[in-house]
Amino acid sequence: DQQVKQNSPSLSVQEGRISILNCDYTNSMFDYFLWYKKYPAEGPTFLISISSIKDKNEDGRFTVFLNKSAKHLSLHIVPSQPGDSAVYFCAARDSGAGSYQLTFGKGTKLSVIP
Amino acid sequence: DAGITQSPRHKVTETGTPVTLRCHQTENHRYMYWYRQDPGHGLRLIHYSYGVKDTDKGEVSDGYSVSRSKTEDFLLTLESATSSQTSVYFCAISPQSYEQYFGPGTRLTVT
Repeated sequence: DQQVKQNSPSLSVQEGRISILNCDYTNSMFDYFLWYKKYPAEGPTFLISISSIKDKNEDGRFTVFLNKSAKHLSLHIVPSQPGDSAVYFCAARDSGAGSYQLTFGKGTKLSVIP
Repeated sequence: DAGITQSPRHKVTETGTPVTLRCHQTENHRYMYWYRQDPGHGLRLIHYSYGVKDTDKGEVSDGYSVSRSKTEDFLLTLESATSSQTSVYFCAISPQSYEQYFGPGTRLTVT
């Protein structure tokens, strides 16, 4: 059973506009959420994270929002740039699991059109 | 960037042969992980290590074994490679925090 779901396999956005990537989860024990960005032929790179005790975290053009009651988080990129074109993975940590294991979604491919 | 290297970066092997992938870190982090990435599946955890000689299974561990004899090295072995193990393999490290930092990946093809 998929505990972290990214229901949109792909998203296209015009340069300069906002990109919104969504992630839903089912495990109420998740206490920390992360977003990773992946370019082709490279490893994923950590982008931004949020603790379950917060509802928003911002870092430059990137903001992550967490809605615990809906078990939903989203990543906003404003303004979107062509270099943001990549696959974005949502990940979550189970507070009851050991060794800082993460559960990943299947990813959303973002294409920013110049 | 975190000091993580993976070797080899690309490998083609035949069904039934053993294969070992190496992950090397220069960060002295305690936690190390092996993932595989496949289309439609995202990143799935194979095995992880929480210290020298301390390892445990992840979500998709069947057909894989690992070893960690030194802090800096984490080896993933496919005991008898099968075509279903054709994938991109990523190693990750963590400094005892929630963020994990990934290596560049190894593309393995089993023919």
